[in-house]
Amino acid sequence: QKEVEQDPGPLSVPEGAIVSLNCTYSNSAFQYFMWYRQYSRKGPELLMYTYSSGNKEDGRFTAQVDKSSKYISLFIRDSQPSDSATYLCAMSASRRALTFGSGTRLQVQP
Amino acid sequence: EAGVAQSPRYKIIEKRQSVAFWCNPISGHATLYWYQQILGQGPKLLIQFQNNGVVDDSQLPKDRFSAERLKGVDSTLKIQPAKLEDSAVYLCASSLPPGELFFGEGSRLTVL
Repeated sequence: QKEVEQDPGPLSVPEGAIVSLNCTYSNSAFQYFMWYRQYSRKGPELLMYTYSSGNKEDGRFTAQVDKSSKYISLFIRDSQPSDSATYLCAMSASRRALTFGSGTRLQVQP
Repeated sequence: EAGVAQSPRYKIIEKRQSVAFWCNPISGHATLYWYQQILGQGPKLLIQFQNNGVVDDSQLPKDRFSAERLKGVDSTLKIQPAKLEDSAVYLCASSLPPGELFFGEGSRLTVL
């Protein structure tokens, strides 16, 4: 079993839809949870960063962490064609490198 | 603020040849990482440096891969000899601990 599981998609939605992306994990030592966005032939860029459990909102993006269920989510409201990319969840224990999910490819149709 | 710089962006070699990738992290970032990203997969950690020292190289195939970080700044990742399965994007990242990593654009390797 992988430490971090993520549905690879692809996920195709119409413009304006609410998108829900999810990851599950098995390592209870993970404390830092992140979502990265990766456009084709580019490096990952940080979208959201959450420490421990709870919600965090930034514009159209909301990240949720449920440590009791070992489950994290990213919600994108009013999705735009420019949101079309691969979304990677990532997590780490204190001062350790990030462990990534396999990524979910999102396509937002105009 | 300048980001993480990597070179070359693209490299094509034949199997059994050698290749080296270079990374310059964000100024002041003590921690540097090399990740391997195979097409359709998430990045996988190869090695983590804290200043000059190695923190984690447990997933580095040491029979063919080597990495160094001289003077706690730039880093080089070398593959010798390359295999077909080494075809991937090699991502360098740096951070101020804890957690948040900043990535370069990556070096795309094709092994024929």
